[in-house]
Order: sequence, then C-alpha cells, then structure tokens
Amino acid sequence: EIVLTQSPVTLSLSPGERATLSCRASQSVSDFLAWYQQKPGQAPRLLICDVSKRATGTPARFSGSGSGTDFTLTISSLEPEDFALYYCQQRGSWPPTFGPGTKVDIK
Amino acid sequence: QVRLAQSGAEVKKPGASVKLSCKTSGYTFTTYAIHWVRQAPGQGLEWMGWINGGNDNTAYSQKFQGRVTITRDTSASTVYMELSSLESEDTAVYYCARDYYGSGSYYLDYWGQGTLVSVSS
Repeated sequence: EIVLTQSPVTLSLSPGERATLSCRASQSVSDFLAWYQQKPGQAPRLLICDVSKRATGTPARFSGSGSGTDFTLTISSLEPEDFALYYCQQRGSWPPTFGPGTKVDIK
Repeated sequence: QVRLAQSGAEVKKPGASVKLSCKTSGYTFTTYAIHWVRQAPGQGLEWMGWINGGNDNTAYSQKFQGRVTITRDTSASTVYMELSSLESEDTAVYYCARDYYGSGSYYLDYWGQGTLVSVSS
C-alpha cells in the first residue's frame, strides 16, 4: 500500500500569512490526490480532489499542485477558520490511504 | 440538503461484533457509493471499505477483510457496517461518507457525524 508522508507536522502561522503544506507518496499516485480539512470534534471536509480541483464550496484561497509523488496544498492568506488539521489522501493505488496530517495552528 | 446520520455510540467487549448504521437523505441513494473510514483517538484516518450505490458490490481494505461487512437497505436509504472480532485497537470514531463522483472516486464529500465505538473488557 502507498504510504503518504506529510510535512511539516505542525505549521505555526499568523492570520493573513501564506501556508504551504506538503504531501509525499511512497510511489506515484498520478493525479489522484485529495486534501481534507478537519477541525476538533468534526468530520473531515473535502477541499481539493484530483490534485488541484476545488470541491464545491472550497474558497479560492485554497489551491493544490503537484503530480506523481510530490504534492502541495497552499492557503494563500490564512483566515481564522483555516486553523485546523489537514490530511492528504491518494486513490491512485489500492487501497486508498491517508497521510498522518499537518496541523496549522496560530502563532 | 445532503445528510448522513449515523447511529449512536457503542460500547463492546473484546470478541464481540458491532453493526453501525448510516441513514442518508437529500440525494438519490442509488447514485452514490458510501464509504466507511475510521479514526482512532488522536490518530489519522483509515479507509475500511465501500458499497456501490447502484448495486450491492462491495470492496474492503485487506486489513479488515474477513472482519468487515458493508450492506445496504435501498428502501431505507441506509448503509450498514458490521465489524466482528473486536479488539481494543478497534476503539475509534467510525465515519460513513459519500463518494464525491458517485462511484469509485474514493474522494469523500459528505460525511456522517461519526460513531464512537469503544472496545473494553
């Protein structure tokens, strides 16, 4: 199974700053990668699928890029509601797997 | 609006089985697959399996093969997930979630609120 590694583990930033989150796959997942946001006590929320396609309702400040094994989620300017946990997920190889997450917290 | 409403928390002893439900509404049930994902306390997300929206086809992660069964009741727009031979390591919040593209995308757009299953002797 494909292992996803996310970095950094924690990202401490201030509102208005740019956040760059990384997801690396142990082998190529082509363009089949998604990003989710999860807040404490809530279910995850789909933000991005197929590397760069924003899901319905995802604000334009969220963007995804990459291909193969290296992927990036960028939040152009952090809003207070963006401080949360972010997971990447691949579906390029069976079974689908998730990364361990990156926590974006307030500096 | 799309809604996935899950059954309530469960407490089980090791070796027992648990059957969770996920009642869907707000969309055509047979158009979208439903997946099950679990999250152990303080841990990440783990995909368990799914059931096709248009038929009873299922697929399970190898990790849970033989222990998990996903079924559905189309008349009730409800999906069920049964996990047997429970161990303490199965203590987790279990989520059902809808397939974003309908079937086989494995991207999950709408999620249930989660069901906490606690396994303890």
